[in-house]
Amino acid sequence: QQPVQSPQAVILREGEDAVINCSSSKALYSVHWYRQKHGEAPVFLMILLKGGEQKGHEKISASFNEKKQQSSLYLTASQLSYSGTYFCGTYSPGGYQKVTFGIGTKLQVIP
Amino acid sequence: NAGVMQNPRHLVRRRGQEARLRCSPMKGHSHVYWYRQLPEEGLKFMVYLQKENIIDESGMPKERFSAEFPKEGPSILRIQQVVRGDSAAYFCASDAGSNQPQHFGDGTRLSIL
Repeated sequence: QQPVQSPQAVILREGEDAVINCSSSKALYSVHWYRQKHGEAPVFLMILLKGGEQKGHEKISASFNEKKQQSSLYLTASQLSYSGTYFCGTYSPGGYQKVTFGIGTKLQVIP
Repeated sequence: NAGVMQNPRHLVRRRGQEARLRCSPMKGHSHVYWYRQLPEEGLKFMVYLQKENIIDESGMPKERFSAEFPKEGPSILRIQQVVRGDSAAYFCASDAGSNQPQHFGDGTRLSIL
């Protein structure tokens, strides 16, 4: 089942912070985060494997709450280069053992 | 180039023709995934393959679409008798295991005249 992302879209000024949420109705083994810039392929950002784990990539970090079946992506002091669509992917036990992607959150950073 | 290779990058077909999209996974990757993306929309899962096996084709339309990942050579996504609605970007991704990061190719932009 597809995870739910929120918000669907957000506009930030350079230097502002943002949070993108991803939640699932199923128990999760892991959460994956990707970013896709306009006209390009999605690029892997990070994977969170344990409940409560936080990882970071430049000024982008994420948390994973296994009990709540949700993850949040934190973008700190946003830069113009952060613009793009952010996808979370969830991996759950059982089924076909593949990552299922949300519909994405479109982030636009303006000067 | 050690990345996921897709070709062609752009493909133009007339209605009724066949489209063949190719994907060579990263070296060492045994899983291939195909996704379809319409402009300003998300990634729609189509099919998940391992060498010589289709693991999950729940996202594939029942007719005209097929996929394979032979023992030798690239994975192929085949669309027969294309229609205007098939116009989209088709991305291939590969990984080394079910819970590993997926690496995406640059996609094939399919246009139907």
